Amino acid sequence: AQKVTQAQTEISVVEKEDVTLDCVYETRDTTYYLFWYKQPPSGELVFLIRRNSFDEQNEISGRYSWNFQKSTSSFNFTITASQVVDSAVYFCALRLQDSSYKLIFGSGTRLLVRP
Amino acid sequence: NAGVTQTPKFQVLKTGQSMTLQCAQDMNHEYMSWYRQDPGMGLRLIHYSVGAGITDQGEVPNGYNVSRSTTEDFPLRLLSAAPSQTSVYFCASSYSTSSYNEQFFGPGTRLTVL
Repeated sequence: AQKVTQAQTEISVVEKEDVTLDCVYETRDTTYYLFWYKQPPSGELVFLIRRNSFDEQNEISGRYSWNFQKSTSSFNFTITASQVVDSAVYFCALRLQDSSYKLIFGSGTRLLVRP
Repeated sequence: NAGVTQTPKFQVLKTGQSMTLQCAQDMNHEYMSWYRQDPGMGLRLIHYSVGAGITDQGEVPNGYNVSRSTTEDFPLRLLSAAPSQTSVYFCASSYSTSSYNEQFFGPGTRLTVL
């Protein structure tokens, strides 16, 4: 069965703290893609990053970084020096190569960054 | 480009009423889909389409119909609304069915069924 687990329901940090959002996935497929989306209070879903199953290189984009480890089936997301504007719900999602092309979403982690 | 647009933004229905949620994209995307978002459950796929004239069911299709007569439009019809269909509905599109392509989401429709 394919599944994405985001065990952290809600995280609260003070501005400028670093924070890591965890994502663990399950699939038997060898080819798949992992995504992170941000859902700010306004409600829309914003694409952040994509990673394919053959590329375990970590990625950094400004204050954001992602750590993909196939050995532990994890795709964690770290925000460095968090800001109030980072407050949102963050979703990790899995997209398989040969299913209905759907995204399998985790239940999301609500991040609150306090000033 | 307007991206993915959805109307209405909010809707209240009574049990048994029917309605259509509109979704359109102007990016010439091949793949379109509808998800519903419920508290604590992430998003779940309702129906999807891999091109004009082709639709299929996702994981929670009961109570919903779709059609895709053009590349741009992918309306979602609620046949007889039930309180269990109270949710936020998102339409999404991607360039192709390739898993590489990210899906672009519309702003959502918040539906309440009384």
